[in-house]
Amino acid sequence: SQTIHQWPATLVQPVGSPLSLECTVEGTSNPNLYWYRQAAGRGLQLLFYSVGIGQISSEVPQNLSASRPQDRQFILSSKKLLLSDSGFYLCAWRGTGWGEQFFGPGTRLTVL
Amino acid sequence: DAKTTQPPSMDCAEGRAANLPCNHSTISGNEYVYWYRQIHSQGPQYIIHGLKNNETNEMASLIITEDRKSSTLILPHATLRDTAVYYCIVRLNQAGTALIFGKGTTLSVSS
Repeated sequence: SQTIHQWPATLVQPVGSPLSLECTVEGTSNPNLYWYRQAAGRGLQLLFYSVGIGQISSEVPQNLSASRPQDRQFILSSKKLLLSDSGFYLCAWRGTGWGEQFFGPGTRLTVL
Repeated sequence: DAKTTQPPSMDCAEGRAANLPCNHSTISGNEYVYWYRQIHSQGPQYIIHGLKNNETNEMASLIITEDRKSSTLILPHATLRDTAVYYCIVRLNQAGTALIFGKGTTLSVSS
């Protein structure tokens, strides 16, 4: 069966520090991968999606970037965090041609 | 993707059916209706989806009107664990397309 992992589960970082969040998927190949962010009391915002290795589409211009170095690995990064980067970051995957999208457990980021 | 309209909140008594409405009047012929829910501090969970016909699974039933401009998610016997934000989303079933979430409906189930 397919599983999706995210780490770390929680993270507290100072303003201006770098960020790296990792997401990996098991049990499937060539998945579509997605990064979402949910700020406190807000809805889910799509940040990036990827249909293959090295292919990244950005939905919202911001302080973040994404990379897909391997088929089942998706990384969210920032060179310098802002206070507004705080939130709940969710990775999701979807098989090609299939509607259901599965979400990971999420990373709760607090920027101080 | 077509936009959806949902009530911001609903209440339901435990053991009763919860009927969550969704309007999607601009839905196109090849767009599906998806329902997800998000329990506090967790990632969204898939519930059900459909195109034209009503659908039922172990979690819920989805009733889509004949003109497809609205739908209703039915939780037949709500429990306290069903308290969550419920999202109605319409989208094309194409590779690469992502779910775009609105504000959803906060369902509160009480004993």
